[in-house]
Amino acid sequence: NAGVTQTPKFQVLKTGQSMTLQCAQDMNHNSMYWYRQDPGMGLRLIYYSASEGTTDKGEVPNGYNVSRLNKREFSLRLESAAPSQTSVYFCASTLQQGLPLHFGNGTRLTVT
Amino acid sequence: QQQVKQSPQSLIVQKGGISIINCAYENTAFDYFPWYQQFPGKGPALLIAIRPDVSEKKEGRFTISFNKSAKQFSLHIMDSQPGDSATYFCAASMVEYGNKLVFGAGTILRVKS
Repeated sequence: NAGVTQTPKFQVLKTGQSMTLQCAQDMNHNSMYWYRQDPGMGLRLIYYSASEGTTDKGEVPNGYNVSRLNKREFSLRLESAAPSQTSVYFCASTLQQGLPLHFGNGTRLTVT
Repeated sequence: QQQVKQSPQSLIVQKGGISIINCAYENTAFDYFPWYQQFPGKGPALLIAIRPDVSEKKEGRFTISFNKSAKQFSLHIMDSQPGDSATYFCAASMVEYGNKLVFGAGTILRVKS
Protein backbone atom coordinates (compact mmCIF):
# COMPACT_ATOMS: atom_id res chain seq x y z
CA ASN A 1 0.00 0.00 0.00
CA ALA A 2 1.26 3.46 -0.88
CA GLY A 3 -0.67 5.19 1.94
CA VAL A 4 -0.89 8.93 1.26
CA THR A 5 0.74 10.10 -1.97
CA GLN A 6 1.47 13.76 -2.68
CA THR A 7 2.56 15.31 -5.96
CA PRO A 8 4.70 17.11 -6.81
CA LYS A 9 7.50 16.71 -4.27
CA PHE A 10 9.06 20.07 -5.10
CA GLN A 11 7.77 23.17 -6.87
CA VAL A 12 9.05 26.68 -7.50
CA LEU A 13 6.54 29.36 -8.47
CA LYS A 14 6.75 33.02 -9.27
CA THR A 15 4.52 35.44 -7.38
CA GLY A 16 1.07 35.46 -8.93
CA GLN A 17 1.28 32.03 -10.54
CA SER A 18 -1.24 29.35 -9.69
CA MET A 19 -0.86 25.68 -9.02
CA THR A 20 -2.64 22.66 -7.58
CA LEU A 21 -1.14 20.26 -5.09
CA GLN A 22 -2.46 16.74 -5.44
CA CYS A 23 -3.11 14.22 -2.69
CA ALA A 24 -4.45 10.68 -2.92
CA GLN A 25 -4.89 7.98 -0.28
CA ASP A 26 -5.52 4.28 -0.81
CA MET A 27 -6.62 3.40 2.74
CA ASN A 28 -10.35 4.03 2.23
CA HIS A 29 -10.16 6.88 4.74
CA ASN A 30 -13.09 9.24 5.13
CA SER A 31 -11.34 12.38 6.40
CA MET A 32 -8.54 14.25 4.68
CA TYR A 33 -6.51 17.32 5.67
CA TRP A 34 -4.06 19.86 4.31
CA TYR A 35 -1.41 21.29 6.65
CA ARG A 36 1.47 23.65 6.13
CA GLN A 37 4.69 23.33 8.10
CA ASP A 38 6.87 26.35 8.77
CA PRO A 39 9.95 26.54 11.02
CA GLY A 40 9.04 27.33 14.60
CA MET A 41 5.31 27.17 13.89
CA GLY A 42 4.58 23.49 13.78
CA LEU A 43 1.84 22.22 11.50
CA ARG A 44 -1.11 24.48 10.84
CA LEU A 45 -4.37 23.27 9.36
CA ILE A 46 -5.33 24.94 6.09
CA TYR A 47 -8.47 23.03 5.07
CA TYR A 48 -10.00 19.69 5.80
CA SER A 49 -12.67 17.37 4.50
CA ALA A 50 -14.43 15.39 7.19
CA SER A 51 -16.08 13.18 4.58
CA GLU A 52 -16.53 12.96 0.83
CA GLY A 53 -18.56 15.95 -0.36
CA THR A 54 -17.66 18.28 2.52
CA THR A 55 -14.83 20.76 3.03
CA ASP A 56 -14.17 23.26 5.82
CA LYS A 57 -11.65 25.93 6.67
CA GLY A 58 -8.89 25.36 9.19
CA GLU A 59 -6.66 27.86 10.96
CA VAL A 60 -4.98 29.43 7.91
CA PRO A 61 -7.27 29.13 4.84
CA ASN A 62 -6.62 32.53 3.22
CA GLY A 63 -5.12 32.25 -0.27
CA TYR A 64 -6.09 28.60 -0.71
CA ASN A 65 -8.96 26.56 -2.08
CA VAL A 66 -9.59 22.84 -1.92
CA SER A 67 -11.52 20.18 -3.78
CA ARG A 68 -12.51 16.78 -2.47
CA LEU A 69 -12.61 15.14 -5.89
CA ASN A 70 -13.74 11.75 -4.58
CA LYS A 71 -13.11 9.65 -1.50
CA ARG A 72 -9.46 9.08 -2.46
CA GLU A 73 -8.37 12.53 -3.66
CA PHE A 74 -8.14 15.93 -2.00
CA SER A 75 -6.41 18.77 -3.85
CA LEU A 76 -5.15 22.14 -2.65
CA ARG A 77 -5.06 25.10 -5.04
CA LEU A 78 -3.13 28.32 -4.82
CA GLU A 79 -4.84 30.77 -7.18
CA SER A 80 -2.23 33.55 -6.96
CA ALA A 81 0.88 32.44 -5.11
CA ALA A 82 2.59 34.80 -2.68
CA PRO A 83 6.04 34.54 -1.03
CA SER A 84 4.25 34.03 2.32
CA GLN A 85 3.00 30.71 0.95
CA THR A 86 6.54 29.35 0.75
CA SER A 87 6.26 26.29 2.97
CA VAL A 88 6.16 22.53 3.14
CA TYR A 89 2.64 21.25 2.56
CA PHE A 90 1.41 17.99 4.02
CA CYS A 91 -1.69 16.04 3.21
CA ALA A 92 -3.06 13.65 5.82
CA SER A 93 -5.95 11.25 6.13
CA THR A 94 -7.74 9.23 8.76
CA LEU A 95 -10.56 6.74 8.83
CA GLN A 96 -12.61 9.09 11.00
CA GLN A 97 -11.93 12.26 12.94
CA GLY A 98 -10.30 11.49 16.27
CA LEU A 99 -8.22 8.59 14.98
CA PRO A 100 -4.49 8.90 14.17
CA LEU A 101 -3.53 10.85 11.08
CA HIS A 102 -1.51 9.29 8.26
CA PHE A 103 0.66 11.86 6.51
CA GLY A 104 2.14 12.00 3.05
CA ASN A 105 5.79 12.97 2.56
CA GLY A 106 5.04 16.57 1.70
CA THR A 107 5.42 19.08 -1.12
CA ARG A 108 8.13 21.69 -0.70
CA LEU A 109 6.90 24.89 -2.33
CA THR A 110 8.99 28.00 -2.91
CA VAL A 111 7.38 31.22 -4.17
CA THR A 112 9.81 33.83 -5.46
CA GLN B 1 -7.82 29.09 23.24
CA GLN B 2 -6.49 26.30 21.08
CA GLN B 3 -2.75 26.72 21.46
CA VAL B 4 -0.25 24.10 22.46
CA LYS B 5 3.14 25.44 23.58
CA GLN B 6 6.13 23.13 23.14
CA SER B 7 9.65 23.35 24.52
CA PRO B 8 12.54 23.20 23.97
CA GLN B 9 12.89 24.21 20.34
CA SER B 10 15.93 21.95 20.00
CA LEU B 11 17.65 19.37 22.15
CA ILE B 12 20.97 17.56 22.04
CA VAL B 13 21.31 14.38 24.11
CA GLN B 14 24.10 11.87 24.44
CA LYS B 15 23.44 8.30 23.36
CA GLY B 16 21.93 6.40 26.26
CA GLY B 17 20.59 9.54 27.91
CA ILE B 18 17.02 10.64 28.56
CA SER B 19 15.34 13.08 26.18
CA ILE B 20 12.52 15.16 27.64
CA ILE B 21 10.17 17.36 25.64
CA ASN B 22 7.43 19.38 27.30
CA CYS B 23 4.08 20.75 26.16
CA ALA B 24 1.50 22.95 27.83
CA TYR B 25 -2.06 23.81 26.89
CA GLU B 26 -4.74 26.21 28.11
CA ASN B 27 -8.04 24.76 26.99
CA THR B 28 -9.24 22.12 29.45
CA ALA B 29 -11.60 20.74 26.80
CA PHE B 30 -8.70 19.03 25.05
CA ASP B 31 -9.18 15.29 25.47
CA TYR B 32 -6.56 13.61 23.29
CA PHE B 33 -2.80 14.24 23.33
CA PRO B 34 -0.66 12.51 20.69
CA TRP B 35 3.01 12.83 19.89
CA TYR B 36 4.22 12.67 16.29
CA GLN B 37 7.74 11.88 15.10
CA GLN B 38 9.10 13.27 11.83
CA PHE B 39 12.29 12.27 10.03
CA PRO B 40 13.83 14.58 7.42
CA GLY B 41 12.01 14.46 4.11
CA LYS B 42 9.10 12.49 5.56
CA GLY B 43 5.71 13.27 6.95
CA PRO B 44 5.00 13.05 10.69
CA ALA B 45 3.97 9.67 12.06
CA LEU B 46 2.10 8.90 15.26
CA LEU B 47 4.49 7.82 18.03
CA ILE B 48 2.35 7.55 21.14
CA ALA B 49 -0.82 9.13 22.50
CA ILE B 50 -2.63 9.60 25.81
CA ARG B 51 -6.05 10.61 27.07
CA PRO B 52 -6.49 12.67 30.27
CA ASP B 53 -7.93 9.81 32.30
CA VAL B 54 -4.42 8.37 32.81
CA SER B 55 -1.26 10.05 34.12
CA GLU B 56 1.29 8.00 32.24
CA LYS B 57 1.56 5.77 29.18
CA LYS B 58 4.61 3.79 28.20
CA GLU B 59 5.45 2.12 24.91
CA GLY B 60 8.93 0.67 24.82
CA ARG B 61 11.44 3.46 25.44
CA PHE B 62 8.81 6.18 24.96
CA THR B 63 6.68 7.47 27.84
CA ILE B 64 4.07 10.21 28.00
CA SER B 65 3.57 11.84 31.40
CA PHE B 66 0.35 13.81 31.81
CA ASN B 67 -0.39 16.38 34.52
CA LYS B 68 -4.03 17.40 34.21
CA SER B 69 -3.98 20.00 37.00
CA ALA B 70 -0.94 21.75 35.54
CA LYS B 71 -2.24 21.34 31.98
CA GLN B 72 1.07 19.91 30.88
CA PHE B 73 2.27 16.75 29.22
CA SER B 74 5.70 15.53 28.30
CA LEU B 75 7.50 12.94 26.21
CA HIS B 76 10.38 11.01 27.75
CA ILE B 77 12.69 8.96 25.54
CA MET B 78 14.74 6.58 27.65
CA ASP B 79 18.11 5.23 26.47
CA SER B 80 18.06 7.68 23.55
CA GLN B 81 19.62 6.37 20.35
CA PRO B 82 21.00 8.15 17.25
CA GLY B 83 18.06 6.68 15.33
CA ASP B 84 15.74 8.74 17.55
CA SER B 85 17.13 11.94 16.00
CA ALA B 86 14.07 13.57 14.50
CA THR B 87 11.58 16.37 14.99
CA TYR B 88 8.91 15.69 17.59
CA PHE B 89 5.52 17.39 17.69
CA CYS B 90 3.04 17.33 20.51
CA ALA B 91 -0.59 17.89 19.63
CA ALA B 92 -4.02 18.08 21.19
CA SER B 93 -7.59 17.73 20.04
CA MET B 94 -11.10 17.99 21.44
CA VAL B 95 -14.49 16.74 20.39
CA GLU B 96 -15.86 20.30 20.37
CA TYR B 97 -13.29 21.19 17.72
CA GLY B 98 -14.22 18.23 15.56
CA ASN B 99 -11.23 16.24 16.87
CA LYS B 100 -8.91 18.30 14.64
CA LEU B 101 -5.35 18.31 15.88
CA VAL B 102 -3.62 21.48 17.10
CA PHE B 103 0.16 21.04 16.94
CA GLY B 104 2.99 22.42 19.01
CA ALA B 105 5.89 24.16 17.26
CA GLY B 106 8.11 21.08 17.28
CA THR B 107 11.38 20.02 18.91
CA ILE B 108 14.43 19.02 16.89
CA LEU B 109 16.17 16.21 18.75
CA ARG B 110 19.72 15.19 18.01
CA VAL B 111 21.20 12.19 19.77
CA LYS B 112 24.99 12.18 19.70
CA SER B 113 26.76 8.83 19.46
